[in-house]
Amino acid sequence: EPEVTQTPSHQVTQMGQEVILRCVPISNHLYFYWYRQILGQKVEFLVSFYNNEISEKSEIFDDQFSVERPDGSNFTLKIRSTKLEDSAMYFCASSVPTLTGGNSPLHFGNGTRLTVT
Amino acid sequence: LAKTTQPISMDSYEGQEVNITCSHNNIATNDYITWYQQFPSQGPRFIIQGYKTKVTNEVASLFIPADRKSSTLSLPRVSLSDTAVYYCLVVSSGGSYIPTFGRGTSLIVHP
Repeated sequence: EPEVTQTPSHQVTQMGQEVILRCVPISNHLYFYWYRQILGQKVEFLVSFYNNEISEKSEIFDDQFSVERPDGSNFTLKIRSTKLEDSAMYFCASSVPTLTGGNSPLHFGNGTRLTVT
Repeated sequence: LAKTTQPISMDSYEGQEVNITCSHNNIATNDYITWYQQFPSQGPRFIIQGYKTKVTNEVASLFIPADRKSSTLSLPRVSLSDTAVYYCLVVSSGGSYIPTFGRGTSLIVHP
């Protein structure tokens, strides 16, 4: 079964540094998402991406965050200047549109654990 | 966006059937009910989705009454490996499609 892959599995960075989290969505999927989960808390939506542009974003997704699909396979999340509170698991997900006009369920990767020191 | 309510935790034993009920009183006509499973340090995994009545796959069954204000995820004969957090989501089939996760139900299966 095809799956969403994320790299690295664990990233440690110092406060103020830039990080790029990478994702390879399932190849025929058209919708891409980033979520995060702070330890012990809910899975929180960050941003969705379709047709090479952001379609929705949450309040968490401020100017420090950006997403990009640099080629036909990768989908990246960049945090420009990391803060301690950015420490979390970051999950990438993808989905396809359905014939009914909605979207199929999301397929998630296993995440990147970001630790900001 | 329909709010969901589900138990915070449940305990069961190997071989038992587990039913997790979720209430979603303000579900809209074009909303679907979707359940995900999450193991520690892994991403959520889709289990099952339905609109009304009953849906069954190789993993679980989903029961949705006629008023659709609640749903029940049924896991037959659970094993230790079914210990996970289970999330009930109500997702619109049109317009904004942003699955929103709540706290979920932490299921612990005991030997």
